[in-house]
Amino acid sequence: DIVMTQSPDSLAVSLGERTTINCKSSQSVLYSSNNKNYLAWYQQKPGQPPKLLIYWSSTRESGVPDRFSGSGSGTDFTLTISSLQAEDVAVYYCQQYYSTPYTFGQGTKLEIK
Amino acid sequence: QVQLVESGGGSVKPGGSLRLSCAASGITFRDYYMNWIRQAPGKGLEWISYLSSGGTTFFYADSVKGRFTVSRDNAKNSLYLQMNSLTAEDTAVYYCATKEASGRIPMGAFDIWGQGTMVTVSS
Repeated sequence: DIVMTQSPDSLAVSLGERTTINCKSSQSVLYSSNNKNYLAWYQQKPGQPPKLLIYWSSTRESGVPDRFSGSGSGTDFTLTISSLQAEDVAVYYCQQYYSTPYTFGQGTKLEIK
Repeated sequence: QVQLVESGGGSVKPGGSLRLSCAASGITFRDYYMNWIRQAPGKGLEWISYLSSGGTTFFYADSVKGRFTVSRDNAKNSLYLQMNSLTAEDTAVYYCATKEASGRIPMGAFDIWGQGTMVTVSS
């Protein structure tokens, strides 16, 4: 199984500041035949199901604000929020869909400082 | 609009069984592959099962293999999860999830989720 490890587990950031969350996979999730990284990011607010933010490591889902961006390749990935808004308080998960079992990171809890 | 609604959760004793359902609306259900994903209280997400649109291909996480069975009834627009030999470690919110059918979202990423149903396994 591919193990996904996020860092940090939690962080507190001031409104308007830039935020980065890291995700590392235990093996590459880059598929050589199409040069795509099988990596997604989700946002989960309390009492709600996860919401897909980004797939293919950097493709923003429709309707997701452009302050959210994804980067990285192979085994190392980053979710960046360029200017933190109050509504971004949530837990963020990375997920690989390169192979089953699909696996998620442990989550990063983002709070306002 | 697209909607997935889970039901069937509740409290059960260790060793017991439970059957979850996921009712789909707003989509041509037979065109969608379906997944079950769970989340223990205060914990992260765990994908546990996949079932193809035709119901012939399935995968299970090792944690549930041999105890859980996924099935679907396309005529009823419904997905099911039969859970047997339940343990405390199965206590979680269970979500059904899938992806839009156009091909924009890759297989294995999930943009359509239900609200979840809670399963509690306790003596």
